[in-house]
Amino acid sequence: KQEVTQIPAALSVPEGENLVLNCSFTDSAIYNLQWFRQDPGKGLTSLLLIQSSQREQTSGRLNASLDKSSGRSTLYIAASQPGDSATYLCAVEDNNDMRFGAGTRLTVKP
Amino acid sequence: DAGVIQSPRHEVTEMGQEVTLRCKPISGHNSLFWYRQTMMRGLELLIYFNNNVPIDDSGMPEDRFSAKMPNASFSTLKIQPSEPRDSAVYFCASRLPGANTEAFFGQGTRLTVV
Repeated sequence: KQEVTQIPAALSVPEGENLVLNCSFTDSAIYNLQWFRQDPGKGLTSLLLIQSSQREQTSGRLNASLDKSSGRSTLYIAASQPGDSATYLCAVEDNNDMRFGAGTRLTVKP
Repeated sequence: DAGVIQSPRHEVTEMGQEVTLRCKPISGHNSLFWYRQTMMRGLELLIYFNNNVPIDDSGMPEDRFSAKMPNASFSTLKIQPSEPRDSAVYFCASRLPGANTEAFFGQGTRLTVV
């Protein structure tokens, strides 16, 4: 059974910093990996999806990379803003089964 | 499209009562997922459907939980009888056909069993 781990569990940075969130998974036979954002009391919003054949995806200030062989993905956020404060979750899909990490709670201080 | 629609948004019920959670996926999406989220366990996959057919229900906690998808535009998750430990936020998600398509989540139903 696929296990997904996210480090760190929480992160607090001053506004303007670049930061990296980490996600690791135990079974490299995946279809894709997806990064989500969740605001308190809300549902999840998809940020980026990386297919297993891809190495990275970019959207604005966000860049996600995937190293399938080592079971790792990173989400890079450039020039962080207070509005980026949220919980970020990664989800790994294999055999149509999408499993989530516990998330990283990010706080960006003005 | 209004996105994935879940109802109710909040539900408070007494232990032992039956609870039914509802989900309307985005039109055209043929995969539907039910998740449960708690502080202790995070997001847990309960069951997912492809083309209205349950593919994997191994995440359903026990026989008190059941899920149906009678057609492409509606799914229910039922708990009977409910217990306090079922208190959580239940999310429904849907996506287009194909393995590499984004999943879209509803706003969730916050269930409290007292």
